[in-house]
Amino acid sequence: EPEVTQTPSHQVTQMGQEVILRCVPISNHLYFYWYRQILGQKVEFLVSFYNNEISEKSEIFDDQFSVERPDGSNFTLKIRSTKLEDSAMYFCASRRSGGTPSYEQYFGPGTRLTVT
Amino acid sequence: AQRVTQPEKLLSVFKGAPVELKCNYSYSGSPELFWYVQYSRQRLQLLLRHISRESIKGFTADLNKGETSFHLKKPFAQEEDSAMYYCALPPAGGTSYGKLTFGQGTILTVHP
Repeated sequence: EPEVTQTPSHQVTQMGQEVILRCVPISNHLYFYWYRQILGQKVEFLVSFYNNEISEKSEIFDDQFSVERPDGSNFTLKIRSTKLEDSAMYFCASRRSGGTPSYEQYFGPGTRLTVT
Repeated sequence: AQRVTQPEKLLSVFKGAPVELKCNYSYSGSPELFWYVQYSRQRLQLLLRHISRESIKGFTADLNKGETSFHLKKPFAQEEDSAMYYCALPPAGGTSYGKLTFGQGTILTVHP
């Protein structure tokens, strides 16, 4: 069964550095998402991406964040200047278009980002 | 605004005992609710979606619109059911691109 993959599994970076988290969604999916989970807290939506553009973003997704789909397979999340509070598990997810079930999302294993 | 509440952060039961993980929601319209499960060091996986009314790994969940609940139940818990469980809700209306709103999650521990 196809799966969403994410690399790296763990990233340690210093405050102020740029990080890029990478995801390969399931190949025939058209909607892509990033979520974040700070340790001990719930999973929070960051951004959705469809048709090569951001379709929706949360208040968390400020100017420090950006997403890209540089080719037909990768989907990246960039944090330009990391802060301590960016330390979290970042999940990528993807979804087929339309159909039933319409909102089911498939999640990657996550990247644990540690900002020191 | 829509909201998902899982009132129990931790739930412990013994093997063979019934288990119920609570989920309440606020939503305008007819929701499509999900239960996701996260086993230790693994990804979030879809466990159940209410529209399919299926039973997965012995778990069932019934949508109760009157009580705005979607509790997850299993009559006889197994040790391998120990995991984090999340109730999730997609957006209301047809204009959003399907982001999920998650509850806080419940850590279920099944003791031998």
